[in-house]
Amino acid sequence: EDQVTQSPEALRLQEGESSSLNCSYTVSGLRGLFWYRQDPGKGPEFLFTLYSAGEEKEKERLKATLTKKESFLHITAPKPEDSATYLCAVPGPGGSEKLVFGKGTKLTVNP
Amino acid sequence: GAVVSQHPSWVICKSGTSVKIECRSLDFQATTMFWYRQFPKQSLMLMATSNEGSKATYEQGVEKDKFLINHASLTLSTLTVTSAHPEDSSFYICSASTLSYEQYFGPGTRLTVT
Repeated sequence: EDQVTQSPEALRLQEGESSSLNCSYTVSGLRGLFWYRQDPGKGPEFLFTLYSAGEEKEKERLKATLTKKESFLHITAPKPEDSATYLCAVPGPGGSEKLVFGKGTKLTVNP
Repeated sequence: GAVVSQHPSWVICKSGTSVKIECRSLDFQATTMFWYRQFPKQSLMLMATSNEGSKATYEQGVEKDKFLINHASLTLSTLTVTSAHPEDSSFYICSASTLSYEQYFGPGTRLTVT
């Protein structure tokens, strides 16, 4: 069964303290791995798509990387406004357009 | 680019009435649209998948007659909650996808049934 597991469930950082979030997946024939950010009371905001091992993408303080088994979301010198839940997702099996989501990592950045 | 809107952003209705939520892709044509609901501090739960001009495909356990989905065009899908009850109160989020499987989410609609 295709599965997406995110760790840690929650992460507290001090402002400026860099760290990484993990997303491990078990899916055959990866058709993309997606990262989203969700703030409370809002819909998820698209961040990145990664398609192949070794690929990296950056946006401001965020950098996403992909290996054959997992993806990392690196946060460099985070600010309080980076506090949110970060979700990772992959398309479901058999060419499905439905996304299989991890349970998310809730990031809190303290000033 | 890739902006999805929802209307209304919040709605309060009385038990037994129906509520319609609109989802629009503003700057792209979506091959598929999805409807999710989310309870506080929980993950997104997919309710149904819809393609323009076709009947929606509902996830197991989702009542088709209660949650009516119409996908009239490549940029508009609607979710109607019929005969709403307090247990239908939730946060409803739509998304629209392109051929690349990327889904772009709307801002969500908070439904409260009194």
